[in-house]
Amino acid sequence: AQSVAQPEDQVNVAEGNPLTVKCTYSVSGNPYLFWYVQYPNRGLQFLLKYITGDNLVKGSYGFEAEFNKSQTSFHLKKPSALVSDSALYFCAVRVGPDTGRRALTFGSGTRLQVQP
Amino acid sequence: DAGVIQSPRHEVTEMGQEVTLRCKPISGHNSLFWYRQTMMRGLELLIYFNNNVPIDDSGMPEDRFSAKMPNASFSTLKIQPSEPRDSAVYFCASSLYGEGVYEQYFGPGTRLTVT
Repeated sequence: AQSVAQPEDQVNVAEGNPLTVKCTYSVSGNPYLFWYVQYPNRGLQFLLKYITGDNLVKGSYGFEAEFNKSQTSFHLKKPSALVSDSALYFCAVRVGPDTGRRALTFGSGTRLQVQP
Repeated sequence: DAGVIQSPRHEVTEMGQEVTLRCKPISGHNSLFWYRQTMMRGLELLIYFNNNVPIDDSGMPEDRFSAKMPNASFSTLKIQPSEPRDSAVYFCASSLYGEGVYEQYFGPGTRLTVT
């Protein structure tokens, strides 16, 4: 079984401040972890993924995420938030290496609101 | 590349009617996923295909829902008969399937309203 928890429904941050969106996961095996962003009335857009290797993963739009195996976490971060970062963010996981099951399990989403 | 294409973008129908949602995946992708998004239940996987073959349909709510992928460039999700509780945004996503770990690319979604 695999699951993802995003403990915060909403995160508020001032423009220019660092932001963190939290994600914890549970899988029976090695995790493959993803972050997606959804803007209003749009589909989800891929931001970044962790497969193996360096625990700090860099992605699109200046976002990065840190994989922490002991805490089973994969928090999304950005050093300086922009108002345009305001959106809904989803963490997702699937077990790896390949077991034939390619589907992702998504978290419930966290709404990021960046105030000017 | 045009990305994942879904049609229609909006569908309003009356309870009991048949609804067909369509998806064209990114050319060259061989995995296709159908999701449903609601405020109450979030993003749910309904079914996915690898090389046009359904792999896991355990997320399909009930027999009123069916999905097909007759070829690598087209898939449909059909609801017959539709009910008000089927109102949601339905997303199609595609990815590569093979060596490596590939992200999914989502279409813009179809907003379904059943009255």
